[in-house]
Amino acid sequence: ETGVTQSPTHLIKTRGQQVTLRCSSQSGHNTVSWYQQALGQGPQFIFQYYREEENGRGNFPPRFSGLQFPNYSSELNVNALELDDSALYLCASTLSQGHYGYTFGSGTRLTVV
Amino acid sequence: SQKIEQNSEALNIQEGKTATLTCNYTNYSPAYLQWYRQDPGRGPVFLLLIRENEKEKRKERLKVTFDTTLKQSLFHITASQPADSATYLCAPASGSSASKIIFGSGTRLSIRP
Repeated sequence: ETGVTQSPTHLIKTRGQQVTLRCSSQSGHNTVSWYQQALGQGPQFIFQYYREEENGRGNFPPRFSGLQFPNYSSELNVNALELDDSALYLCASTLSQGHYGYTFGSGTRLTVV
Repeated sequence: SQKIEQNSEALNIQEGKTATLTCNYTNYSPAYLQWYRQDPGRGPVFLLLIRENEKEKRKERLKVTFDTTLKQSLFHITASQPADSATYLCAPASGSSASKIIFGSGTRLSIRP
């Protein structure tokens, strides 16, 4: 099994721009969650997708949106970037909504300047 | 609101001793709880999952307890090694269909030779 792959690994964007982060789930996993992790903090839940439908969302504004595709890969889109959006963005996949643990990717380090 | 508390101070342990990390949660009743390890710049790695009807679970040198009355989980590493040095994250989850796992801020563990 290949694990979770995220791209790009690093990204620098300007305030006000839009960004798309991509995630390829572990083979066979039908659930994907996205997290934002600031330095020294635990990951903060953004949202979860199960079989292409959003089925849970954390305390993030609507400018954070996502998609899950039929092959269970996923995208995180962030519009109107703010300086505080600078963080490590983590994608995690699992089978059956997390009852067996999540497999995380190595993340995308986003810097907004 | 749901809250998770882990030892905010870093834990420094002599090699060979048992490290014990604490996770307390308030304002909800998770159906299960997960523990993850995270190394700098990497995504979390799943270690163990314990369900609400289980008091204790073991995996090699790791042991987790789950006390739903105290709303607390303890994570033990026996015969600790310098390679165990990392940040350990506690993640209680709901059992609903819109399940999401909420992470604590983590405890940084350092094992000195």
